[in-house]
Parts: sequence; C-alpha cells; structure tokens
Amino acid sequence: DVKVTQSSRYLVKRTGEKVFLECVQDMDHENMFWYRQDPGLGLRLIYFSYDVKMKEKGDIPEGYSVSREKKERFSLILESASTNQTSMYLCASSLGGVENEQFFGPGTRLTVL
Amino acid sequence: QKEVEQNSGPLSVPEGAIASLNCTYSDRVSQSFFWYRQYSGKSPELIMSIYSNGDKEDGRFTAQLNKASQYVSLLIRDSQPSDSATYLCAVKKNYGQNFVFGPGTRLSVLP
Repeated sequence: DVKVTQSSRYLVKRTGEKVFLECVQDMDHENMFWYRQDPGLGLRLIYFSYDVKMKEKGDIPEGYSVSREKKERFSLILESASTNQTSMYLCASSLGGVENEQFFGPGTRLTVL
Repeated sequence: QKEVEQNSGPLSVPEGAIASLNCTYSDRVSQSFFWYRQYSGKSPELIMSIYSNGDKEDGRFTAQLNKASQYVSLLIRDSQPSDSATYLCAVKKNYGQNFVFGPGTRLSVLP
C-alpha cells in the first residue's frame, strides 16, 4: 500500500516566518509534487520533481522553493510566509510512465497570521 | 479555455439514481485519465483510471473515454449518500510527468 505522509496536519505561522513542509513517500516513486488547494481555485501545482535534486516549476511557484535531497522526501519551503499563502497544501507522488496515478498525502492546512 | 473542464456543480441526485460526471480536455496529446474523489477536508483518492476509448467498469463506477471528442465521464450507479463528495478529473499527457486537474464537481446524494 502506497503511503504518502506529510509532517503536519495543521500549522499556524506568522507573517515573515520561514516555513518548511515535509513530505515522505515509501514506494520508491520517482515523481513528487506539491499543490495548494483553495476554494473555487481547485488544485494548483506549485513545484514537482522527477528525480533527486531535480525540480520543475509548476503554475504558481512564486514565493515557494523546494528541496529533494533524497528520493523519498520532498520539502516545500516558504521563505517568508505571507497571509495569501494560507491554504491547504497537498503532496503527491507517482511512478514514472504515462499510466501511473498520483497518490496524495493527507494535506497540511497552513494558516499564516 | 481551461485545459480541463468539468460540469459545474453542485450536482444533486436522489439515493439509488445514476450520477453522471463529465470532463472535457483541450490537449489532444492527453493520454491517461483519472477520476479522484475528495471528501470535505480530506485529500483526493483515486477511483478510476482509463487509457483507451470505451468503457471501464469497477463495481458501481463506470468511466467512459472518447478521445475523438476529448471527453471523459464517470457514472455512479445506485448512488449512495456516502458518494457525496467532490470529484476531480485529472489528465496526463504522453510526455512529461505532469497531471492537469479539473476544478471538480461537487456531488450530493440525497437520502
């Protein structure tokens, strides 16, 4: 059974703080993704990674960075959190190949005050 | 035009009825199609995947794909209140590893 875990379910931070969101998958998946989900805006891709130390920008990378030092771990970093980054953050992973689905973690609800 | 569109909800059906969820996509190189269910406050979970034209059945769920019309649908037979959720259509192209998600359709099954 594929398992994707995220470091926190709920997180409250203050404006200007540096925030780390961690994601770990245990199925040796090549690809990992970070999304944010907001009411009315759906799932929006922030960054993804198809290999260790590789990263690609998604649709809304501004204000975020990522790190993938090990295959199983993909971190999302908010260098200086702002209130408009209050959102649900979802991590996902998948095998390479066209027919492989994404598996999602439970999500982290981040509130920036 | 958005790359993946879904019928606007919310969609309400009575218990026991068939719920029909629709999705259209704009890029003809799209290769794989997925339906996810997302309960309120939870993360998306995969229900069905489909890659070839035609129908694919799994229990009460049937996915239908028509690549010529760039259309994919999900039918839920004998709808139950526990099917009440938001359904996300996701499309994957034959290059790259990226998925494109539709905005979702909220389904309510009324007892």
